Amino acid sequence: EIVLTQSPGSLSLSPGDRATLSCRASQSVGTSLVWLQHRPGQAPRLLIFDATDRVTGVPARFSGSGSGTDFTLTISSLEPEDLGIYYCHQRAKWPRTFGQGTNIEIK
Amino acid sequence: VQLVDSGGGLTRPGGSRRLSCTASGFTFDKYSMNWVRLIPGKGLEWVAYIGRSSTDIFYSDSVKGRFTVSRDNAKKSLWLQMGNLRAADTGTYYCTTAAFDFWGPGTPVVVSS
Repeated sequence: EIVLTQSPGSLSLSPGDRATLSCRASQSVGTSLVWLQHRPGQAPRLLIFDATDRVTGVPARFSGSGSGTDFTLTISSLEPEDLGIYYCHQRAKWPRTFGQGTNIEIK
Repeated sequence: VQLVDSGGGLTRPGGSRRLSCTASGFTFDKYSMNWVRLIPGKGLEWVAYIGRSSTDIFYSDSVKGRFTVSRDNAKKSLWLQMGNLRAADTGTYYCTTAAFDFWGPGTPVVVSS
């Protein structure tokens, strides 16, 4: 099973700050990695697919980078509605796996 | 576009429960589907996958042999039959397209005596 390790576990940032979230895979997943946002009380939402492609309608402040084993989700300028838990997920091999999540708090 | 998952509730350890998911607003038979769960204090966990024609089915190791995923494209429906339930299965269960573009609102499952 591919283990995805996310860091940091949590971030407490102010509106306008830049957030950098990391996801490291235990073996290469190529670019078969997605990022999801999970706000409290809502269903998760797909933000980025194929490591770098932003879903239509997702604000441009969200960007993904990386390939192989190291991936990054960057939020260039935080908005209050960006609070929540962010997960990476690999679609390269079975069983599919998620990272443990990074919790973003907005000060 | 809508996915509505249902069937959650309180079940005793060792018991069974069947979750349902009904799709509308998109061509269901063109989409592979997943079940994903949110485990309290642990995060999201992928549970099961079923291909468009039910030919390809995969499970997480934690549910293999206990859960069965199925679908009926004519009814635009997806199911998760859960058996030999454990406390560790407690969580909110979501049906979602395999690409995660559409999600149900989630249905809570509690396994407790």
